[in-house]
Amino acid sequence: DVKVTQSSRYLVKRTGEKVFLECVQDMDHENMFWYRQDPGLGLRLIYFSYDVKMKEKGDIPEGYSVSREKKERFSLILESASTNQTSMYLCASRVSYGYTFGSGTRLTVV
Amino acid sequence: KQEVTQIPAALSVPEGENLVLNCSFTDSAIYNLQWFRQDPGKGLTSLLLIQSSQREQTSGRLNASLDKSSGRSTLYIAASQPGDSATYLCAAETNTGNQFYFGTGTSLTVIP
Repeated sequence: DVKVTQSSRYLVKRTGEKVFLECVQDMDHENMFWYRQDPGLGLRLIYFSYDVKMKEKGDIPEGYSVSREKKERFSLILESASTNQTSMYLCASRVSYGYTFGSGTRLTVV
Repeated sequence: KQEVTQIPAALSVPEGENLVLNCSFTDSAIYNLQWFRQDPGKGLTSLLLIQSSQREQTSGRLNASLDKSSGRSTLYIAASQPGDSATYLCAAETNTGNQFYFGTGTSLTVIP
């Protein structure tokens, strides 16, 4: 089975900090995605990537950037964390026709 | 843009009951539809994936169906158990894109 690993389950960061969220998949898949999940709003796509060094904006890219230097790793970067970026962040990898998700990172910005 | 709706937002049933969760979507040009389960504070676990050429998929006590013409998918859970308590999300992908759009989920509680 494909495994998608998010490096941190819980993070607490201060306003203005630069934050890196890491996601690694173990099956050489090309397509990877970053979502955030908020109560009442569901999952919203931040960025996705079709291949190394390729990235596409999702529905809510403002305040975020991404990096994909190697196929297995897709990083989400909060350039200057703000309290409204407190959320659950979920990474997914495309598995044939569907998604496999990581276990999520609960980020709190104080 | 594909809009995905799940009603009801919450459902509580006694153990042993058969139940149906509903998912509707606005764009019938659907490519794939996937059902997930999410436990509190955790990531999403894939339950069933229905490809565009299929009408249903089954796994154990779960059966998911897809009716593209009516814009609906249902997830049927037979003989519910307390361990089935979780939030169930559906996600739809259209032919024009490479991303899934998610509903906000149905929170299921199975009472022992």
